[in-house]
Amino acid sequence: ETGVTQTPRHLVMGMTNKKSLKCEQHLGHNAMYWYKQSAKKPLELMFVYSLEERVENNSVPSRFSPECPNSSHLFLHLHTLQPEDSALYLCASSQGRSYEQYFGPGTRLTVT
Amino acid sequence: KQEVTQIPAALSVPEGENLVLNCSFTDSAIYNLQWFRQDPGKGLTSLLLIQSSQREQTSGRLNASLDKSSGRSTLYIAASQPGDSATYLCAVKAQGNNRLAFGKGNQVVVIP
Repeated sequence: ETGVTQTPRHLVMGMTNKKSLKCEQHLGHNAMYWYKQSAKKPLELMFVYSLEERVENNSVPSRFSPECPNSSHLFLHLHTLQPEDSALYLCASSQGRSYEQYFGPGTRLTVT
Repeated sequence: KQEVTQIPAALSVPEGENLVLNCSFTDSAIYNLQWFRQDPGKGLTSLLLIQSSQREQTSGRLNASLDKSSGRSTLYIAASQPGDSATYLCAVKAQGNNRLAFGKGNQVVVIP
């Protein structure tokens, strides 16, 4: 695999479920990001990890919990979500926080 | 707070015409500006990255210009093809933080 991969590509979950989104980058980058893309709205930054430390949490509700066990992997743990959390969740990585970001294909999440 | 606007929101052009997509931003203290392409339901593909010290970048049929003082960038796509149909996103990275501020995109349809 090359670039940035995300699994699953599609996820349907009930409001009481717990699930996790996974992102893996094969680019040797040291910064990783979670973004949310809702219909008709610009992409919103959720979390930034640099060298496996969370450096930014953009006022995201606690029902979203990120985890970065190493520089190649990033998870987004989900629990007790709301229907308005349905969106495309995109992961990105970069070499340093100031450099070009490379995006994964996204996970299309539907909360029922 | 950085606001990024893309005009027009949507456009259709016949194959072979040149495309001109506009992006404006409110805070000129930027670190770089990046243009992305997004196909329906997919992730983002980076097209061009312009550093704040640069005036333009070119890649094949694509050319992006940056006028930092007036808060504008333009993406030109020469001799458009049906395969250019996609949404084009402009994103601005401010100096001193990790955030990419995105516009809502220009949705392009190239008619064969």
